Parts: sequence; C-alpha cells; structure tokens
Amino acid sequence: GNSVTQMEGPVTLSEEAFLTINCTYTATGYPSLFWYVQYPGEGLQLLLKATKADDKGSNKGFEATYRKETTSFHLEKGSVQVSDSAVYFCALSDQGYSTLTFGKGTMLLVSP
Amino acid sequence: SAVISQKPSRDICQRGTSLTIQCQVDSQVTMMFWYRQQPGQSLTLIATANQGSEATYESGFVIDKFPISRPNLTFSTLTVSNMSPEDSSIYLCSVDDGNEQFFGPGTRLTVL
Repeated sequence: GNSVTQMEGPVTLSEEAFLTINCTYTATGYPSLFWYVQYPGEGLQLLLKATKADDKGSNKGFEATYRKETTSFHLEKGSVQVSDSAVYFCALSDQGYSTLTFGKGTMLLVSP
Repeated sequence: SAVISQKPSRDICQRGTSLTIQCQVDSQVTMMFWYRQQPGQSLTLIATANQGSEATYESGFVIDKFPISRPNLTFSTLTVSNMSPEDSSIYLCSVDDGNEQFFGPGTRLTVL
C-alpha cells in the first residue's frame, strides 16, 4: 500500500535560517504529491503540490521537487520567518483518486 | 475554493456516549471525506461520503462505530458511537473540488 515518511520534529530554527523537511514515499503508481500546513488553531491548508516527476511546487517561498528516482518530495525554504511556525504534512494521492495518504507531520518552530 | 465549517469545535464526552459532528461546506461538492488525527499521529481516512450513496469505509473503520450521513451536496455528519478514551482525536472533514482538497478546522474530541 501507499505510505509517506517524513522527518520527525520538532524542527527548531532561528529566523532567516534555511529549512529542509524530508519526505519520502512508497506508492504503486505515479502519485501526486502535496505539502499541507497546519497553523496553530487552524485547519490544514494546501501549501504546494506536484503532479508528475520533476515538477516543482512552490508557494510563499517554499519549494518541493517531485523526485521519482529517489521517491522524495523534500520541502525547502531559503529563509524562514516566525510566522512559518506550524505543522507540515507531506501527503500523496494515487492518480485518479482523491483520497490522501499523510505522513505523521513535522512541527516547525522558528524563533526570532 | 471551498470554505468548510465544523460543529462542535471541541467537546469532552463520557465513555459509552455518542457524539455527532457536523460538516458544512459553502459550495456543492460531490466528494466529502472524514479523517481522524490521533494525538501525535498522522491523519487517517475514516470514510468517503458521496451524496446519494452509502459511505465507503477504510480498513479498520465500520459503519456501526462511525455512521455517516450525507443528505445533500453541502452537508455531512459523522457520529462517533459508544465512545471510549481511544476515540480521543481530532476529526476533520474535507472536500475535493476536482483540483484541490480542502479541510475543515477539525473537531477536538476528548473521551473520559
């Protein structure tokens, strides 16, 4: 079956530091890949997505590239802000299906 | 996009009782989903609820424990029946508009 593995947190960074949150996946076909973010007290929001190999999703300074050869979709940001503090979830969905398989989530804490 | 509201936002319940969670969407959608997020865990899909048909449950979830209603294209309910402390979780509904999956803010349930 499908599965998503992401690095455990919390990840603690100072403002303006470089961020990487690792995500790898296992899927039988060619899934679409997603990063969702959950800010404190709020619901999940789609941060970015990629639907095929070598696609790069980007939003709000965050980027992730769909790497089929390494089955990875690592999230990066060049300079984090305090407002980026949240829980980040990597997820996949099989082509043609809407249901999502999520990783366990990684909490990011950014200090001034 | 879709805006989703859930009621209640949180509740504390006694074991053996049942709680019904409501999910309201601001637009008509075909596919709605119910997820569970146990403490420190990822989101797990409970069931898919399409209007006009029986909900489809994932492995490990059964209708007797989590009955779902989907009376129209903007509303759904999930009931957590005969609750035990193991049911303490955040329950989220989500919808798919064909391009993106949107999530409600969640219902935080604590069972004593």
